[in-house]
Formats: sequence, C-alpha cells, structure tokens
Amino acid sequence: EVQLLESGGGLVQPGGSLRLSCAASGFTFSNYAMSWVRQAPGEGLEWVSVISGSGGSTYYADSVKGRFTISRDSSKNILYLQMNSLRAEDTAVYYCAKESGIAAGGNEYFQHWGQGTLVIVSS
Amino acid sequence: SYELTQPPSVSVSPGQAARIACSGDALPKKYAYWYQQKSGQAPVLVIYEDSKRPSGIPERFSGSSSGTMATLTISGAQVEDEADYYCYSTDSSGNPSFGGGTKLTVL
Repeated sequence: EVQLLESGGGLVQPGGSLRLSCAASGFTFSNYAMSWVRQAPGEGLEWVSVISGSGGSTYYADSVKGRFTISRDSSKNILYLQMNSLRAEDTAVYYCAKESGIAAGGNEYFQHWGQGTLVIVSS
Repeated sequence: SYELTQPPSVSVSPGQAARIACSGDALPKKYAYWYQQKSGQAPVLVIYEDSKRPSGIPERFSGSSSGTMATLTISGAQVEDEADYYCYSTDSSGNPSFGGGTKLTVL
C-alpha cells in the first residue's frame, strides 16, 4: 500500500524559511516522479513543483520559482521541499503526491496523495 | 498560465446523475484527470486518461472527453459523493494545471 507522510509544516514569519519532508513507502521510490501540490485555505489546488525519479529533472510553478527547491533522497525514500523567502500567499496545506511514472512533466499525473502539512506565513 | 474552467457548483438529488464539465483549449490533445476531495481530506483520483477508473472507485463514476470539454459523470449520485471535484490536465507544453473546482451537493 502506498503511503506518503508529510511533515515540517508550521508557523513562519514572512521572509523566513521552512523545509518540508515527505516519507514514502509501499512502492519503489526511485521509479516514480514526485510532486508538491498546495491548497490555500478555502481555495483550489495549485501544483508547486515536480522532480523526476532520478532527481535529474525538476520543474517549478512560476509563483515559487527561485524561492523553492525540490529534492529527493532515494536512499531514505524521502521527498523534500526547501522553501525560502516565504510570503503570506504561500500559506497553504502542502501535499506530496506520487506521480504515475518516472518522468517529470509530460503525460504523468498524481496517482496518490499524502494527507498534507500546513504552512502558515504570518508575523 | 493554462486555464481549465469548471462550474463553481453542481447540485443534484440522491439517485440523479451529476455531470461536471471542464473546458480547456488543450483538451483535444491532452488527457483529463479528475480528483475528488472531501472536506478536510486529501484529494483522491477518480478518473484518469479521460475515462479510466482506478481500482476501488465505484462504477457510478465515469469520464468522457470531446473537443475542448471533459466531463465527469456520477450516475446515481449518493450523499457520500458530496465533495469538491477538480479536473487536471496539462497545456501543450506540459505545464500542469487544475480547474478551479466544483462543489457537488447531493440533497
């Protein structure tokens, strides 16, 4: 059974940093691309970033490009999202999602989702 | 950015068919996917590649796509189907996008 468990969320001041983690189990981690998707309070879903199964390809939404960095540790089966220069508009529940294949982008889709971790950016 | 357009809300009585539309310029060449999100829970994939149903999803959920419109149909909607539904697809360059979401009310 695929399990994705996010952690690392919390309250942070504007301009601050936070690192989210997603522990994966139940599948061969390195065989699948992984994404972060967020949802602001009362709002819809917004894709944030994707990383290929090998970690060699990464893509970002324009709203986070240059501030967020996605990475993965296949020896530990953990996905990360380093978030810097945080803004109030980054406040959201952040979900990690297992993609349907190994490539980042293209015709992949989000097959399984974690339960999310809440990030609040406020002074 | 690529826009996928959904109605904000759809309301049906129990046992009626619920249809949720999603329009996007790239849908003639790109698959549509549908996610169900119940209150306080993570999204769940209910339809992939326009019309395929993942294992464990009830048969009353179906999908179709024609031209620039994809449609999620719930035949005989039940109270437990009340949720927000999001379509998802990519533009011609592979950039991902979600629709704004449709709140389905069954009462």
